[in-house]
Amino acid sequence: QVQLQESGPGLVKPSETLSLTCTVSGGSVSSGSYYWSWIRQPPGKGLEWIGYIYYSGSTNYNPSLKSRVTISVDTSKNQFSLKLSSVTAADTAVYYCARGHYDILTGSPPGGMDVWGQGTTVTVSS
Amino acid sequence: DIVMTQTPLSLSVTPGQPASISCKSSQSLLHSDGKTYLYWYLQKPGQSPQLLIYEVSNRFSGVPDRFSGSGSGTDFTLKISRVEAEDVGVYYCMQSIQLPPLTFGGGTKVEIK
Repeated sequence: QVQLQESGPGLVKPSETLSLTCTVSGGSVSSGSYYWSWIRQPPGKGLEWIGYIYYSGSTNYNPSLKSRVTISVDTSKNQFSLKLSSVTAADTAVYYCARGHYDILTGSPPGGMDVWGQGTTVTVSS
Repeated sequence: DIVMTQTPLSLSVTPGQPASISCKSSQSLLHSDGKTYLYWYLQKPGQSPQLLIYEVSNRFSGVPDRFSGSGSGTDFTLKISRVEAEDVGVYYCMQSIQLPPLTFGGGTKVEIK
């Protein structure tokens, strides 16, 4: 079955760029049936959607983070990535990647996320 | 943005007893395609969220039938018919009909008495 695995530095300095990668196994990021998303969870708090990318490269970002976020896909490596610039302590969180269902040709909204990675903790501190 | 409001914030349940969680959205989650884009997740302690229910009332693969979802429009409910110890964690509702952004409820923590 499809599995997702986040990777990247666990510690990032303030004002720098957070970079994470999600590796997909057992499935393909090139599938037209899914979107690939990033979600984060600050310590002791709830879930915040960051954004998603479709295999074609089209993206959708949370407006609250849009100016600082870039999500990209590398089909040759079967990975998708997150970059969050100008980080502060408020960006300290567990970051999850996830797969959601989406048939863009139907014109319907994207569906829920059914496969999640285990999450990776990122701390922003000098 | 569509605001998702969950109640209660926490729930303490005796094993074998039922539990119910409410989720209200600030706008209707019913799309013109006939589907309602409301999902329920459970985040067990130390784990990533797992999908329980999709499109209001459909149990995801492997989810026990003691979990059920209901509702329409803006009002939704997740019910656990008989709570078991493995059901502890934080439950979240989520909408995907209108984005950005995709939004989650604040969560309901379920614990065992």
